[in-house]
Amino acid sequence: AQSVSQHNHHVILSEAASLELGCNYSYGGTVNLFWYVQYPGQHLQLLLKYFSGDPLVKGIKGFEAEFIKSKFSFNLRKPSVQWSDTAEYFCAVTFTGGGNKLTFGTGTQLKVEL
Amino acid sequence: DTAVSQTPKYLVTQMGNDKSIKCEQNLGHDTMYWYKQDSKKFLKIMFSYNNKELIINETVPNRFSPKSPDKAHLNLHINSLELGDSAVYFCASSLLQDQETQYFGPGTRLLVL
Repeated sequence: AQSVSQHNHHVILSEAASLELGCNYSYGGTVNLFWYVQYPGQHLQLLLKYFSGDPLVKGIKGFEAEFIKSKFSFNLRKPSVQWSDTAEYFCAVTFTGGGNKLTFGTGTQLKVEL
Repeated sequence: DTAVSQTPKYLVTQMGNDKSIKCEQNLGHDTMYWYKQDSKKFLKIMFSYNNKELIINETVPNRFSPKSPDKAHLNLHINSLELGDSAVYFCASSLLQDQETQYFGPGTRLLVL
């Protein structure tokens, strides 16, 4: 069955450090890829998405993600994190033939310390 | 301006009770969803509706019954609540032609005692 995995469950960084959160999926067909963020006490918001074209996608708040098809990965990056980036980050995928159903990873809790 | 709203935000109830969670969106979307987020933060779709018709019905106990009175509302009714139903329930909405871009509500934290 198709699945999405996020191996980093908890990440703690200092402000200005660089961030990379891993996301891998298991499916041999066409996928659409997403990163959502959930700030403390807030609802899920879309950070960025990839459907096709340039595999390097830029999202809001300085985030970007790169789709590497050969590695089945869509890692999220930010060159310099801020305290306000403290949140839960979810990778999500839709698979062709999956009826546009979003399948989420288990999330990565990011804490940025001052 | 609240795009997707849910009520209540918190719900504490006893096992065996019946409860409802309401969801409304003012984005003009025609497709709405219910997700369940368990204690390990795993988020899984339960149902989706398009123009009041059921599209997706995942393997969910039939104690859970969604109801869509119109395309701006999708309510979730749960009968005979069980301890394992404790979770955060998120409503979301989208356009049918762009179902991958979903807008989420703030969630309803349900605790069954």
